[in-house]
Amino acid sequence: NAGVTQTPKFQVLKTGQSMTLQCAQDMNHEYMSWYRQDPGMGLRLIHYSVGAGITDQGEVPNGYNVSRSTTEDFPLRLLSAAPSQTSVYFCASSAILAGVGNEQFFGPGTRLTVL
Amino acid sequence: AQKITQTQPGMFVQEKEAVTLDCTYDTSDPSYGLFWYKQPSSGEMIFLIYQGSYDQQNATEGRYSLNFQKARKSANLVISASQLGDSAMYFCAMRIGGTGNQFYFGTGTSLTVIP
Repeated sequence: NAGVTQTPKFQVLKTGQSMTLQCAQDMNHEYMSWYRQDPGMGLRLIHYSVGAGITDQGEVPNGYNVSRSTTEDFPLRLLSAAPSQTSVYFCASSAILAGVGNEQFFGPGTRLTVL
Repeated sequence: AQKITQTQPGMFVQEKEAVTLDCTYDTSDPSYGLFWYKQPSSGEMIFLIYQGSYDQQNATEGRYSLNFQKARKSANLVISASQLGDSAMYFCAMRIGGTGNQFYFGTGTSLTVIP
């Protein structure tokens, strides 16, 4: 049981480049989400999904796209990277069967630097 | 609006002493869950403890307990008998059932345990 996996662990991009951060979970969780973590700002929600084919925006969605074609995968796309997107990105998943009582399981994070 | 507030950017505690990390929340939804996560310097997010809004008793998990005061909208984490390995960032989070099961995170508290 791998839990939540993210690739890559580190990435350096140039301004304007695009890329996809991969996230997969093997726990059959309905809920998946992407966060960015910046110093002093905690974790801010970018996008989330409550099931395959269903996605919605979080607090800071601009510059990012997501899709959810399967229960397992939830990739995050940076359309045209900007230095302001330099951050640590976390993917997380949880069940929603028990409502608010299900904790989120986090991936190890991706450290992204945009030059 | 949903909000989580952690007002202590940094805390110090002597080894073997107890420490309380503060968390206040704001929501008008009657159904919510409150979580604490630990993030050591290695970066992973570790789930510590959960409290549901309808739970009558405070949650406990080993050396962790959650001091839940619903009327004051506070959910403070108490760590008893601090250990050097408790040095980490601690995040308080809230999950709301009525908003797509989103999680809202505080900005975190950095705890340093002094030998």
